[in-house]
Amino acid sequence: SQTIHQWPATLVQPVGSPLSLECTVEGTSNPNLYWYRQAAGRGLQLLFYSVGIGQISSEVPQNLSASRPQDRQFILSSKKLLLSDSGFYLCAWSVERGVTDTQYFGPGTRLTVL
Amino acid sequence: KQEVTQIPAALSVPEGENLVLNCSFTDSAIYNLQWFRQDPGKGLTSLLLIQSSQREQTSGRLNASLDKSSGRSTLYIAASQPGDSATYLCAVSDDYKLSFGAGTTVTVRA
Repeated sequence: SQTIHQWPATLVQPVGSPLSLECTVEGTSNPNLYWYRQAAGRGLQLLFYSVGIGQISSEVPQNLSASRPQDRQFILSSKKLLLSDSGFYLCAWSVERGVTDTQYFGPGTRLTVL
Repeated sequence: KQEVTQIPAALSVPEGENLVLNCSFTDSAIYNLQWFRQDPGKGLTSLLLIQSSQREQTSGRLNASLDKSSGRSTLYIAASQPGDSATYLCAVSDDYKLSFGAGTTVTVRA
């Protein structure tokens, strides 16, 4: 069966510090991968998605970046965190795009920027 | 740009009552609509997925309907239980991308 992992589970970082969040998927090959952010009281916002190694599409211009160094690994990074980067970050994967595209979500990372 | 709205934002009911959660979206050109459940501080769990060609989908006590032409979906939860307390999110699919509503937070009182 497929499993998705995210770490760390929680993170408290000062403004201006770097960030690296990791997501890995087990039990499937060539998944589509997604990074979402959920701010307090708001819906999920798609940040990045990837259909293959090295292929990253950005949905929202900001000081975050994403990379996919391996087939089942997706990394969210920042060189300098802002207060507005605080939120709940969720990674998700799907088998295929289109009409049967169910996305499966990881447990999330709670990021607090102070 | 797709806008997804969920009403009400919060709902509190006594155990045993039926729940009705509403979702509306502005662009009817969707591939599918999904309902998710999110427990506090946790990730999302998929409950139901309705293809754009379908009118409804059922799973146990859950039933979701879709009226694509009017841009509406309703999630019904029959005979609510305290374990149903969670936030329920609606999302519509535009090929690869899911657009989410802000959710309805449900509290079922024992």
